[in-house]
Amino acid sequence: KQEVTQIPAALSVPEGENLVLNCSFTDSAIYNLQWFRQDPGKGLTSLLLIQSSQREQTSGRLNASLDKSSGRSTLYIAASQPGDSATYLCAAPAGNYQLIWGAGTKLIIKP
Amino acid sequence: NAGVTQTPKFQVLKTGQSMTLQCAQDMNHEYMSWYRQDPGMGLRLIHYSVGAGITDQGEVPNGYNVSRSTTEDFPLRLLSAAPSQTSVYFCASSYARTQNTEAFFGQGTRLTVV
Repeated sequence: KQEVTQIPAALSVPEGENLVLNCSFTDSAIYNLQWFRQDPGKGLTSLLLIQSSQREQTSGRLNASLDKSSGRSTLYIAASQPGDSATYLCAAPAGNYQLIWGAGTKLIIKP
Repeated sequence: NAGVTQTPKFQVLKTGQSMTLQCAQDMNHEYMSWYRQDPGMGLRLIHYSVGAGITDQGEVPNGYNVSRSTTEDFPLRLLSAAPSQTSVYFCASSYARTQNTEAFFGQGTRLTVV
């Protein structure tokens, strides 16, 4: 059964730093992994979807990598800004219709 | 583009009351699902649908009903609300199976049962 873990639960860094968020999964036979952003009281915004055939996916200052052999995905945020403050969630498919989610990393960027 | 729309955004219910959470999508997606999000936990699947007229249970279906009469709409019904159902509910849709495509989510419904 797929399990997804995100550590740490919270992270606070000064503005301008590059940072890495981690996502671990137990079943390496995943088809893809999706990263989301959640702002307080708001919905889930899809950031990046990385397919199992890809090693990296980039969107602006965000870069997601996927290493199936080690059961890890990372989300790299370059030159962090206060507007990046949010909770970041990763999710992996389980079966045809379900996503298994990590509990998220709450990121605070200090001005 | 509206995407996935959920109503209401907030709701307070008394124990034993019933209500329906609405979800609509305008992307002509076949796959729709409902998740609940509780503090410190990942989202968990309640029910899902692979097309009009077809629904099935997810991980935590007890206390909830769904139906899918059209491609666009996928309402979630709470039959008799309990405090354990206090949560944030998200509706999602996707073009195909989660193994193949990106999932899109609504803004969520924050439900409190007192």
